Amino acid sequence: GESVGLHLPTLSVQEGDNSIINCAYSNSASDYFIWYKQESGKGPQFIIDIRSNMDKRQGQRVTVLLNKTVKHLSLQIAATQPGDSAVYFCAASAGYSTLTFGKGTMLLVSP
Amino acid sequence: EPEVTQTPSHQVTQMGQEVILRCVPISNHLYFYWYRQILGQKVEFLVSFYNNEISEKSEIFDDQFSVERPDGSNFTLKIRSTKLEDSAMYFCASSAGQGTYNEQFFGPGTRLTVL
Repeated sequence: GESVGLHLPTLSVQEGDNSIINCAYSNSASDYFIWYKQESGKGPQFIIDIRSNMDKRQGQRVTVLLNKTVKHLSLQIAATQPGDSAVYFCAASAGYSTLTFGKGTMLLVSP
Repeated sequence: EPEVTQTPSHQVTQMGQEVILRCVPISNHLYFYWYRQILGQKVEFLVSFYNNEISEKSEIFDDQFSVERPDGSNFTLKIRSTKLEDSAMYFCASSAGQGTYNEQFFGPGTRLTVL
């Protein structure tokens, strides 16, 4: 079955730095990936997604990179702000199957 | 901006009691989901619902769980006889289109505590 995991439980950065959060997945059939942000006491919030026919997708201050060869994706946040402090987790699915979520990385941004 | 709402925000119950968690999905959405997140662990899929029936369910979603759309706005998750291990955050989500290629919007969650 699918398992999705994150490499680091906590990432501490200074305001203005770029942050990189990594995620590995196990199911080579996974073809859709999403990054979510979860602030304390709130539900997951969609950040950006990417399909397997792409290896990079950019949003506002965020970039997702997908490496299907090693089954790895990353979320890059440019010019990290204190408001970016949250838990970030990836989710993956194969086709129209349900999403499998990773455990999460806590991003701590110091002013 | 439309959002998914959930009530109550926190539910405390005794083991063996029935609980109903309520959700109001975004009004023009057709697909509804329940997830749970045990403290410190991953978000786990429970069930998806479309056209008044369950589309897909996980192994977690056993006979103790049921879902219902009792009217045009509410989507409920019922746990018939709660167990200690049902303590978790329960998130409702909705999407306009089918499956995971359509963004799912999550509610703020209901924290269920089973004593």
